[in-house]
Amino acid sequence: DADVTQTPRNRITKTGKRIMLECSQTKGHDRMYWYRQDPGLGLQLIYYSFDVKDINKGEISDGYSVSRQAQAKFSLSLESAIPNQTALYFCATSDPRAGEKLFFGSGTQLSVL
Amino acid sequence: GESVGLHLPTLSVQEGDNSIINCAYSNSASDYFIWYKQESGKGPQFIIDIRSNMDKRQGQRVTVLLNKTVKHLSLQIAATQPGDSAVYFCADRLNGQNFVFGPGTRLSVLP
Repeated sequence: DADVTQTPRNRITKTGKRIMLECSQTKGHDRMYWYRQDPGLGLQLIYYSFDVKDINKGEISDGYSVSRQAQAKFSLSLESAIPNQTALYFCATSDPRAGEKLFFGSGTQLSVL
Repeated sequence: GESVGLHLPTLSVQEGDNSIINCAYSNSASDYFIWYKQESGKGPQFIIDIRSNMDKRQGQRVTVLLNKTVKHLSLQIAATQPGDSAVYFCADRLNGQNFVFGPGTRLSVLP
């Protein structure tokens, strides 16, 4: 089983719809992240959370919100999706006590029509 | 990492040859660097990392070189195999801050 699981893997929606992407992890890490990947660009940080009570904006948080429901769960919402939010979204975790690298899920491909 | 726009650099190498993938970073104060491999349909996977107090670090078939003078990072893959075909990207970080990712290089291994 994957350590970082994202659902759904693919989603097609229409402009104006509310969308939630979910992420769960079994690694026991406190830190969780949401990234966006566009073709030809590096991963861009949307939001991150260092523990259940901590939420921080990343580089491109406008149009997005997050919820850290538990240590193992971190969801990303698009309140009113727009076409330029079409992208590949990744959830990641890290544990500074075990090194600083990020562990990524398999991604969610979101298309907004 | 440095954003270079929509065009993803590509590198094609013959199976068995060595590959060298390059990355430029912009923050001269960055103190930690990582290389990731991303295969089609999968999330990025950690390959190797290096701290700013080192110039070189070796792993299994991979070597990372860091040149802080010109803010350049390279990943060398020895005896490249078909399974090495993927997008490779670097990320750098200043202590306590979040990673900055490069746009990636697509490596294609030719039979």
